[in-house]
Amino acid sequence: SAVISQKPSRDICQRGTSLTIQCQVDSQVTMMFWYRQQPGQSLTLIATANQGSEATYESGFVIDKFPISRPNLTFSTLTVSNMSPEDSSIYLCSVPGLRAGEQYFGPGTRLTVT
Amino acid sequence: LAKTTQPISMDSYEGQEVNITCSHNNIATNDYITWYQQFPSQGPRFIIQGYKTKVTNEVASLFIPADRKSSTLSLPRVSLSDTAVYYCLVGDTGFQKLVFGTGTRLLVSP
Repeated sequence: SAVISQKPSRDICQRGTSLTIQCQVDSQVTMMFWYRQQPGQSLTLIATANQGSEATYESGFVIDKFPISRPNLTFSTLTVSNMSPEDSSIYLCSVPGLRAGEQYFGPGTRLTVT
Repeated sequence: LAKTTQPISMDSYEGQEVNITCSHNNIATNDYITWYQQFPSQGPRFIIQGYKTKVTNEVASLFIPADRKSSTLSLPRVSLSDTAVYYCLVGDTGFQKLVFGTGTRLLVSP
């Protein structure tokens, strides 16, 4: 299984500012995923990040709000831009496992916007 | 991706067997059924996956009837540490996007 770390683990930010979340994997992977989990809710996929190409965003998420970088096969960043209190969530990255439908998740970044 | 429906919550006591049923009426021929477990303040963790009949691993069993329109995750002799949210997902062998439903919040009491 892959070991995934995220930084920061949590942060409190003021509205209007931006936060960049880092995701580091201990092995090379082609695809990485970013999810959002709002308080008490399920996970929602934000985008898929492939190394060497633009990220693919899901409906309701745009690049201007959630720019993603994927500079190499073990690292990705997600930026939450121009934050508002509605962006308060846990943001998680994940990578595919060996089995279909299997993904390994990072511990998440808990973001609070005041 | 087929939509799944699960009970919102379940309660149990230590030592009991817990069965969580998931409905997926629109499951496609190539779809697999996958279950995840999520503890508070952690990312989801893959538990088990199956296509038909029964699958068992060291953590749980997964029962899938012949029509595959539902599945049941069985946790034998639960402990307090099994308190978590359990998600049922459906997708084909090539799928990578995970669509999480509301999940089932299991509370195990002493």
